[in-house]
Amino acid sequence: AQKVTQAQTEISVVEKEDVTLDCVYETRDTTYYLFWYKQPPSGELVFLIRRNSFDEQNEISGRYSWNFQKSTSSFNFTITASQVVDSAVYFCALSEEARGRRALTFGSGTRLQVQP
Amino acid sequence: NAGVTQTPKFQVLKTGQSMTLQCAQDMNHEYMSWYRQDPGMGLRLIHYSVGAGITDQGEVPNGYNVSRSTTEDFPLRLLSAAPSQTSVYFCASSLDRNLNTEAFFGQGTRLTVV
Repeated sequence: AQKVTQAQTEISVVEKEDVTLDCVYETRDTTYYLFWYKQPPSGELVFLIRRNSFDEQNEISGRYSWNFQKSTSSFNFTITASQVVDSAVYFCALSEEARGRRALTFGSGTRLQVQP
Repeated sequence: NAGVTQTPKFQVLKTGQSMTLQCAQDMNHEYMSWYRQDPGMGLRLIHYSVGAGITDQGEVPNGYNVSRSTTEDFPLRLLSAAPSQTSVYFCASSLDRNLNTEAFFGQGTRLTVV
């Protein structure tokens, strides 16, 4: 079973639409960390946010917001009033302990295309 | 700030050749790792290290070796390249071994095995 599932392979929206990228994770740890990264067409990976398992507060950063719900093991990412520059592949990732050491596992990514 | 530096950026290998992808970080990070990125599969962990002298296998370790003789360097060795190893490779580092801070990524190495 996948530890991090991003069921939406590709999403296409028109500029100024709101869009939510889903992330569902699976872990037995009580202490874990969740991340979102952005990979623009240039290929580099850009850190967006980190959340630990004890902090379920939603977070807003400009047009970006994140909704963490432990009850449904989800950590969804919403972009409000999308812009063309938001076009990228977005990855959700989980840091958890495996065999006594921590590993960072990524979902398969969601490609977001924002049309002008 | 150099951050995480990967070399080379591009490489073409023939089947059976060996090579080493270099990764260096100048942030005194404990944790370093290698991922490969293939279409539709996201980033898959190859090997990782929680400090000098300590390495462990990730999800897809076969065909790759690593070592961590210093805190700064974490090279990835392809022993005998195969077409299935055609991919984009990313090296990443994090401040501490508990991975409670973000990972910093190199620019990636695009490897083609023919």
